[in-house]
Amino acid sequence: KAGVTQTPRYLIKTRGQQVTLSCSPISGHRSVSWYQQTPGQGLQFLFEYFSETQRNKGNFPGRFSGRQFSNSRSEMNVSTLELGDSALYLCASTGTSGTDTQYFGPGTRLTVL
Amino acid sequence: GEDVEQSLFLSVREGDSSVINCTYTDSSSTYLYWYKQEPGAGLQLLTYIFSNMDMKQDQRLTVLLNKKDKHLSLRIADTQTGDSAIYFCAERANDYKLSFGAGTTVTVRA
Repeated sequence: KAGVTQTPRYLIKTRGQQVTLSCSPISGHRSVSWYQQTPGQGLQFLFEYFSETQRNKGNFPGRFSGRQFSNSRSEMNVSTLELGDSALYLCASTGTSGTDTQYFGPGTRLTVL
Repeated sequence: GEDVEQSLFLSVREGDSSVINCTYTDSSSTYLYWYKQEPGAGLQLLTYIFSNMDMKQDQRLTVLLNKKDKHLSLRIADTQTGDSAIYFCAERANDYKLSFGAGTTVTVRA
């Protein structure tokens, strides 16, 4: 089974722009979670989607949004980028094995200049 | 709320055992996880333990859980240079998110 894939792997944007990141979960997984990783704040939960519905959301401003499609692929969008949005964005997919284990993709490294 | 704490650094000699400690505060946590992150990579799941277990062993990895003290540890036997990485402890409560510790950087020296 293929793992979680994220595209693109690297992005460079300038302040004020917007960006869309994509995540394809493991085949058969219906839950996708997004996390932001920075040296200062560590790993922080952004949101989680299941069957195209957002089930949980972390403490991030409304500039951060996401969605999930019927094939379970997910996208997250960040509008009006700020320097502090520079981070590694990680996506994780969860199956239905009962352990709720989250399997992570390689991440998208976003740099805002 | 959740708050997971880990020591930040661990240096260990090749061939010795490594022990990484973690404390958490959410008593409703159902599962606790250990992830490994190598430079430039995502998080690799190492192992997990259900909250009603005390111990879990998986090859070179041993997880110990003291639910009373909310203390979790990961022991890596016969530590190798390839074990050099950042190790994250994470807890999952009744919602759908993981709360992570700050990560322990393990350095294996020859």
